[in-house]
Amino acid sequence: DTAVSQTPKYLVTQMGNDKSIKCEQNLGHDTMYWYKQDSKKFLKIMFSYNNKELIINETVPNRFSPKSPDKAHLNLHINSLELGDSAVYFCASSQDGGIVTDTQYFGPGTRLTVL
Amino acid sequence: QKEVEQNSGPLSVPEGAIASLNCTYSDRVSQSFFWYRQYSGKSPELIMSIYSNGDKEDGRFTAQLNKASQYVSLLIRDSQPSDSATYLCAVRHSGAGSYQLTFGKGTKLSVIP
Repeated sequence: DTAVSQTPKYLVTQMGNDKSIKCEQNLGHDTMYWYKQDSKKFLKIMFSYNNKELIINETVPNRFSPKSPDKAHLNLHINSLELGDSAVYFCASSQDGGIVTDTQYFGPGTRLTVL
Repeated sequence: QKEVEQNSGPLSVPEGAIASLNCTYSDRVSQSFFWYRQYSGKSPELIMSIYSNGDKEDGRFTAQLNKASQYVSLLIRDSQPSDSATYLCAVRHSGAGSYQLTFGKGTKLSVIP
């Protein structure tokens, strides 16, 4: 019974393609996040949704579009993939991102390789 | 720009020793501080959180926070080879950015048997 799950685990694709990554959490949390971890292992927030509403939208190319159909799911669609998009993408969730003691739990990650 | 700084390492300690990992942050009004452990090829896993000045102990791990110095540290006592991983410091900002965690670049710890 995985708490935060992502599919697929690995994604290899050609430049210019469009791809999606899916995330689901069964923790009953209200807030979900997408992070990008580059080859130097730097983990950086991309987006955050609270109860299906976009809260954080960092400086990310508009080729990246998150979608939250319900508060248990947060998907990431990427258009016109570029070599620089190659990274590990982590989904995370937390009970309520607006309280001091809120804790984020990470999914297993999706390793995206753009050729 | 809110920043979190960590020494990237690698930090090598012998088995049984104390490993000391340090982190400084730039946003003076930050309220929540976290240490995550990340094994190679795996996702970050929370090991400690701390919210007020002083020490917080959990098993072999002790987190220390000094808000005046904008400094947070993690001590690992009786280090084991299984502790070898990258340790990420994360700081949560209050106010308009209340939902946002900023991570340091991580310190790679190697425990030598």
